[in-house]
Amino acid sequence: DTEVTQTPKHLVMGMTNKKSLKCEQHMGHRAMYWYKQKAKKPPELMFVYSYEKLSINESVPSRFSPECPNSSLLNLHLHALQPEDSALYLCASSQGPDSYEQYFGPGTRLTVT
Amino acid sequence: LAKTTQPISMDSYEGQEVNITCSHNNIATNDYITWYQQFPSQGPRFIIQGYKTKVTNEVASLFIPADRKSSTLSLPRVSLSDTAVYYCLVGAPRLDTGKLIFGQGTTLQVKP
Repeated sequence: DTEVTQTPKHLVMGMTNKKSLKCEQHMGHRAMYWYKQKAKKPPELMFVYSYEKLSINESVPSRFSPECPNSSLLNLHLHALQPEDSALYLCASSQGPDSYEQYFGPGTRLTVT
Repeated sequence: LAKTTQPISMDSYEGQEVNITCSHNNIATNDYITWYQQFPSQGPRFIIQGYKTKVTNEVASLFIPADRKSSTLSLPRVSLSDTAVYYCLVGAPRLDTGKLIFGQGTTLQVKP
């Protein structure tokens, strides 16, 4: 199984809502990532989890809160988002943090109203 | 992390070989060159990675000259389904701990 799954596929939320994005992989990978991608732009790294510990936070606002409950799961908790946070949120995993061969999920298309 | 420069867009026709060149003049000794492909509304997909000379897999070939200041991704006999954005990335996985930094990418349009 070389698949990274993400739920939901689409999410519309108001600026006062709290929601969560979920990512799952069963490849035994020990590094997991969150990226944000705006339309016609390249993906931007947000967070890196290495062996279930947060190893990189690319100065992401605190309204985005990552969580790694176990080696297969990665969540991104969203609270008090702004309309400019609307984007495609991509999850990825790799065997370890020292690999550039990352497997990406299909993403969650988030719209903040 | 070395900066990369790629053409913004390229056009090709079905059945042709496509070569996308990436410039990375300040590549470091520990850096590898990695290429990803992204279709609209999908996550990027790893295509190929190399350090020097030539690497080939079932999807593409990667040519890297001796000075490593550029690299060329070669896609043989493209089809309409190869229409996508192609990203060239340069970095040292073991030093940058998986920190992928995507450049602007090259949008390849394959025409019938």
